[in-house]
Parts: sequence; C-alpha cells; structure tokens
Amino acid sequence: SAVISQKPSRDICQRGTSLTIQCQVDSQVTMMFWYRQQPGQSLTLIATANQGSEATYESGFVIDKFPISRPNLTFSTLTVSNMSPEDSSIYLCSVEMGYGQETQYFGPGTRLLVL
Amino acid sequence: AQSVAQPEDQVNVAEGNPLTVKCTYSVSGNPYLFWYVQYPNRGLQFLLKYITGDNLVKGSYGFEAEFNKSQTSFHLKKPSALVSDSALYFCAVRGLNAGNNRKLIWGLGTSLAVNP
Repeated sequence: SAVISQKPSRDICQRGTSLTIQCQVDSQVTMMFWYRQQPGQSLTLIATANQGSEATYESGFVIDKFPISRPNLTFSTLTVSNMSPEDSSIYLCSVEMGYGQETQYFGPGTRLLVL
Repeated sequence: AQSVAQPEDQVNVAEGNPLTVKCTYSVSGNPYLFWYVQYPNRGLQFLLKYITGDNLVKGSYGFEAEFNKSQTSFHLKKPSALVSDSALYFCAVRGLNAGNNRKLIWGLGTSLAVNP
C-alpha cells in the first residue's frame, strides 16, 4: 500500500468561494481518483485524475465546478469552485499502485462545511 | 449494468458471536470484489479482495469473505465479533472486462454495531 495524505483535513468556507484540496502519495501510483461522501453514506466518484491530461469526469460532475490537476505520479488537487452549502461533504482521494494491483487505497479525507 | 447491493442498512451482533455482512453483485464477466471498512471520522481502509482462485478470502482484522458465483454473493464474515469492529462496511465491485475503466461500483454501506 501507500501513505496518502490530504490537506486540509477539514475546512469551513463561505458560499461563493473556492477550496483546493491536495492529495499527496509517498510513492508513484498509476491511478488517482476523487470521491465525495456524505457522512454515513456511500461514495460517489467525481473523476479520475489523469497524469498529464484532463481528468475524466463522471456523470453529474463538470470541470468548471471541480477542476482537477495531476502534475505528476504522486500528487493531485481537486478544487471545489463557487461553493454552495450543497457542496458540504467529505472529499476522498484514492490511488491504485500499478496496473494489475487492482486495490484502491484511500486518503483520510477532507471534511468540508460550506456556510 | 453493474451494481452492488448491501441489503442490510444495519447489522447488530453481540460481542463474541459470529457476524455476517451481506453483499450481492451484478457485473458482466468475472468480478473483482472488495470489502472496505470505515471507522467514525476516518477514511476507508481496505479489508480484503477476491480476484481469482480460492473462493474463501482472508483479510485484515480476522475478517474473511466467500465468493459464491452461483449466488453472485461476496458476504463478509468474522467468527467472533469485537466491539471495536463497530464501523461502516462497504462492498465494491469491478468487472473483469472493464479494460481501462478502473471505476469501482460501491454498495450503500452496512453499519455494524457490536454490543458488549
């Protein structure tokens, strides 16, 4: 597995502002993903972060609202733009170590509250 | 369409008793199956997976799961529950023929409460 860190661990933000969440892995990984989770509920995949190219977004998520960067094989950012209270959630980064490894490992998450 | 069902929102079990958390799936082709656990205010932790081979898979913290192809199930089990096992458990699946699509399909989760 890998050690995955996320910054910030939590934040309280005002509506209309933007927050960038960082995901750092201690080793190179092939795949990085961003999820959203309401407390106590299931996970919803936002996008797959592709190194060197635009992220692949799931239905219902768009780049203007959730821009993603992945400049290298150990780091990715997710920005939640023009936030509203409906964006209050836990945002999780996950990684796959390499092709054929199959297992996704998760970061500790970022708890976001939008007022 | 691929899907995962966890038919029980909550499972209650007494400490020391065996526990089962149920999961059924629907995918095209052979599945990759996973169980994760989430403790309160924590991220998801990988417990175990089935890719191929022996239908009984052993994982972390004494958990195991049995892949049953005919029943399309992958139930999580533990012979003797601990209070510290109380958490939210998620089953996830990916079809073997997914190719470059690494997307996991997630169940809604089952809250396990182990009573002392």
